[in-house]
Amino acid sequence: EIVMTQSPATLSVSPGERATLSCWASQSVNTNLAWYQQKLGQTPRLLVYGASTRATGIPARFSGSGSGAEFILTISSLRSEDSGMYFCQQYENWPYTFGQGTNLEIK
Amino acid sequence: QVHLVESGGSLVKPGGSLRLSCAASGFIFSDYNMNWIRQAPGKGLEWVAYISITSSTINYADSVKGRFTLSRDNAKNSLYLQMDSLRAEDTAVYYCARGVDSWADAFDVWGQGTKVTVSS
Repeated sequence: EIVMTQSPATLSVSPGERATLSCWASQSVNTNLAWYQQKLGQTPRLLVYGASTRATGIPARFSGSGSGAEFILTISSLRSEDSGMYFCQQYENWPYTFGQGTNLEIK
Repeated sequence: QVHLVESGGSLVKPGGSLRLSCAASGFIFSDYNMNWIRQAPGKGLEWVAYISITSSTINYADSVKGRFTLSRDNAKNSLYLQMDSLRAEDTAVYYCARGVDSWADAFDVWGQGTKVTVSS
């Protein structure tokens, strides 16, 4: 099983600034990596897949990068509505696995 | 509008069974791989099972293998998860989700979830 590890567990950033979220895989997942946002009480929303392809309707403020075992989600010009949990997920191999999440707080 | 609607969740005793359903609308269901993902209270996301477009490939998480059975009916635009020998640790909200592409199992459409509680 591929273990996904996210860092940091909690990130507090001011509005207008940039947030950088990291995700590591225990082995290469090539670019078979997705990022999701989940706000409190809501369903997860796909932000990025293929490590860097934004999903439909996702603003350009959200950008993904990386390949192999190291990935980054960057959120620029932070807004209050960006607060929530962010999860990475690999779909290179079954079982598909998620990271434990980063809790993004907007100051 | 693209929709997935889950149903069938309830309170069940350990060792019991449930059948979850997921009804799809607004897209060609038979063009997409489908998955179930669950989220225990206050916890992260756990992938549960995958079924390919023609049901030729079905995969399960080790935690449910041998107890859960995934199936689909493309004529009815529906996905099913038969859950047997339920355990307390199966308590979670269960989401059905669509694979974004035939080659990429990132989940671009999610249902609202159905709650399963396993407790005596």
